[in-house]
Amino acid sequence: EVQLVESGGGLVQPGGSLRLSCAASGFIFSDRYMDWVRQAPGKGLEWVGRIRKKVNSYSTEYAASVKARFTISRDDSKNSLYLQMNSLNIEDTAVYYCARVVGDTLLQSYMDVWGTGTTVTVSS
Amino acid sequence: DIQLTQSPSFLSASVGDRVTITCRASQGISSFLAWYQQKPGQAPKLLIYAASTLQSGVPSRFSGSGSGTEFTLTISSLQPEDFATYYCQHLKSYPFTFGPGTKVDIK
Repeated sequence: EVQLVESGGGLVQPGGSLRLSCAASGFIFSDRYMDWVRQAPGKGLEWVGRIRKKVNSYSTEYAASVKARFTISRDDSKNSLYLQMNSLNIEDTAVYYCARVVGDTLLQSYMDVWGTGTTVTVSS
Repeated sequence: DIQLTQSPSFLSASVGDRVTITCRASQGISSFLAWYQQKPGQAPKLLIYAASTLQSGVPSRFSGSGSGTEFTLTISSLQPEDFATYYCQHLKSYPFTFGPGTKVDIK
């Protein structure tokens, strides 16, 4: 069964850091681009960023709202995706989802498998 | 960045109704559009990609159409399990953005 499971969420003070993980199973993780998407309480979906595969030098893309503060990485040997979040502010409070990307081209950039999400709360 | 708007923001409908949701892009995005369904407390689920291609396993009552700047998601006969929030997402260029969502509620 194809599955994504996020972990690492919790309560953090403004200005703090947190690292989220996403454990993948049931598919060849190293063959896929992976995304992070977040959803603030009662709000819509916000695309956070993407990491490509090894053949693409693990290059990344980010939303403007998180660029320079968040870093996406992966460990293909552990079938794991990560989101390092620094300089957190209240607006970063959200459920964070990891998602599998279907293909390598933009037309194939949609997300076909999602995790259940992990909650990050930024508050003093 | 490309912005997406959705209309309506909220709609109330009955089981069996035909429902249409519109997504408009701030600039042409060809067919680089996906539709997702999200139920409360759950992760989003992919319904439609490339504007009109039905994801495997999604009931045929869902359909998508459009190209350029205007797109529609249609549910031909609303079922009880379809009451949810629907989001469009463009995939034309980074950063990808989602529409604000359309909540479909029971009349």
